[in-house]
Amino acid sequence: QVQLQESGPGLVKPSETLSLTCTVSGGSISSYYWSWIRQPAGKGLEWIGRIYTSGNTNYNPSLKSRATMSVDTSKNQFSLKLSSVTAADTAVYYCARAYSGSLSWFDPWGQGTLVTVSS
Amino acid sequence: DIVMTQSPDSLAVSLGERATINCKSSQSVLYSSNNKNYLAWYQQKPGQPPKLLIYWASTRESGVPDRFSASGSGTDFTLTISSLQAEDVAVYYCQQYYSPLCTFGQGTKLEIK
Repeated sequence: QVQLQESGPGLVKPSETLSLTCTVSGGSISSYYWSWIRQPAGKGLEWIGRIYTSGNTNYNPSLKSRATMSVDTSKNQFSLKLSSVTAADTAVYYCARAYSGSLSWFDPWGQGTLVTVSS
Repeated sequence: DIVMTQSPDSLAVSLGERATINCKSSQSVLYSSNNKNYLAWYQQKPGQPPKLLIYWASTRESGVPDRFSASGSGTDFTLTISSLQAEDVAVYYCQQYYSPLCTFGQGTKLEIK
């Protein structure tokens, strides 16, 4: 079955750019919408954005245009960049697949990766 | 944004008893064109990603025990665990996918009494 795995630095300095990659295995990345979702410690889930394999993107306006997603179908990967990070961006970051279309529940999810913003 | 509000924030139920979690959306998530409610439920255990339980407000995901059921329409939804088991201790989230800006409830922490 399809599995997702997040990767990237676990520590990012304030004002710098957070960069994460999600690798999809067990299936093709094509023809699906892929999202990033984050969860600060002890808090709820916040959707960051989605990308289709054509490269079309949607982002949560709460991130004030700091998020950029990209996709590399040849590597079965998609990525997130979040610029000008602050301590408030410290969270576990999950990648997930929208099951069907852009308006969909998420399944499966990656295991998540903790990103800490600190100098 | 569609705001999802869950109640209660936390809940303690005895083993074998019924647990009920509510989720209310700030606007309807019922699509009139297909009569489907764009609402999902997830279970999250410590150190794990959320696990899909329910989609279309009441359709149980394959492999989810039948003690989990869900109902509701429009703006008011309920997740019910008919007979609480120890392994059901978790945080439960609802999510609307009616809007391109999908949003989650704040979570309900379910514990054993």
